Amino acid sequence: GAVVSQHPSRVICKSGTSVKIECRSLDFQATTMFWYRQFPKQSLMLMATSNEGSKATYEQGVEKDKFLINHASLTLSTLTVTSAHPEDSSFYICSARAGGRELQPQHFGDGTRLSIL
Amino acid sequence: GQNIDQPTEMTATEGAIVQINCTYQTSGFNGLFWYQQHAGEAPTFLSYNVLDGLEEKGRFSSFLSRSKGYSYLLLKELQMKDSASYLCAAMDSNYQLIWGAGTKLIIKP
Repeated sequence: GAVVSQHPSRVICKSGTSVKIECRSLDFQATTMFWYRQFPKQSLMLMATSNEGSKATYEQGVEKDKFLINHASLTLSTLTVTSAHPEDSSFYICSARAGGRELQPQHFGDGTRLSIL
Repeated sequence: GQNIDQPTEMTATEGAIVQINCTYQTSGFNGLFWYQQHAGEAPTFLSYNVLDGLEEKGRFSSFLSRSKGYSYLLLKELQMKDSASYLCAAMDSNYQLIWGAGTKLIIKP
């Protein structure tokens, strides 16, 4: 149980392109989903917390107009990197937590490796 | 402020036992989580502790002392595939996970 699917696994695109990443909880309902970014050999950095049916909460320094998050259902959250530039190249990982059970662990998707040329 | 401390890197021998320590300081506390992350992959959940004591899951065990703000992950019968980073994360009063930088574990034959 507790499977999280993230798609696509890898994206290579030109500078200025917008990229959409999907995160789905396959066998449980996730009231809360989380979006992380990780640069090589660095620790996980939380970008935003996504709550179903409400606006995402962004961490300090993360541009909400640059990283658009939508959590339209209890099983799907999307992250759109708008007008991506080479400095946005990174490993983006989503995680989901079972709805209404805050003490439950976060389960991670497989991540999306984004490369902007 | 909130802070998680764990060693940057550890080395151990195949078949041996290794203990990875983690100390935490958070605004409130709701649990301590351990994750494994292989290079280039996303983290996978290993275990979590809410109450003091030892939680055992096969070759992996995790211990928590809330009064000391301390946890450890114990890995027994080490295998080469256990080479990975091990992330310690404490859940604060807002149910947010505060992540450590991870301990890179190198297993030698």
